[in-house]
Amino acid sequence: DTAVSQTPKYLVTQMGNDKSIKCEQNLGHDTMYWYKQDSKKFLKIMFSYNNKELIINETVPNRFSPKSPDKAHLNLHINSLELGDSAVYFCASSLADSPQRVQYFGPGTRLLVL
Amino acid sequence: GENVEQHPSTLSVQEGDSAVIKCTYSDSASNYFPWYKQELGKRPQLIIDIRSNVGEKKDQRIAVTLNKTAKHFSLHITETQPEDSAVYFCAASTLNSGNTPLVFGKGTRLSVIA
Repeated sequence: DTAVSQTPKYLVTQMGNDKSIKCEQNLGHDTMYWYKQDSKKFLKIMFSYNNKELIINETVPNRFSPKSPDKAHLNLHINSLELGDSAVYFCASSLADSPQRVQYFGPGTRLLVL
Repeated sequence: GENVEQHPSTLSVQEGDSAVIKCTYSDSASNYFPWYKQELGKRPQLIIDIRSNVGEKKDQRIAVTLNKTAKHFSLHITETQPEDSAVYFCAASTLNSGNTPLVFGKGTRLSVIA
């Protein structure tokens, strides 16, 4: 019954590999986000997406790409992984037309690039 | 774009004392200010939020104040308990458009000493 779920929970991989992280929400939300939390715990938006627009943080390398097969899913693809990509990646979702527009976070995916 | 500054970065208080965390924001168009609590190894979870048409909001031991003119907002926790120990993040965004990611402060690590 988890509202926002992510898989995998942990991901250890070698530099140069390509990997994907999946996110699903069952809240009926129409907007989803990806955040990166670095070792200093700083939370930074990477992408926000709904059926109308994709907003990309211009500091995110183009090796990162979001893919949304439907409104309930926003997956994150990462090509040519680098050591600096090691972080915790959080997916979140919200309802655009809600008065509060609270964002609910997934449990996070801990990525370690060796 | 929006920039959110948060202080202090660490805060230690004795159990039963109050804790105050302060944030400032730069974009006068921001009108939604949530606070998230992140326990070790867990996801950020919303604890309280405030919109710009309100100056103060309270929920049991937690309160948030907003000074729109000065562009700062604060989190107040009274009668702190050990389970309040966590990292707290302030954030700002604009509710006017549907696809609006949160801009987070850098977090405050609160330690409540029993």
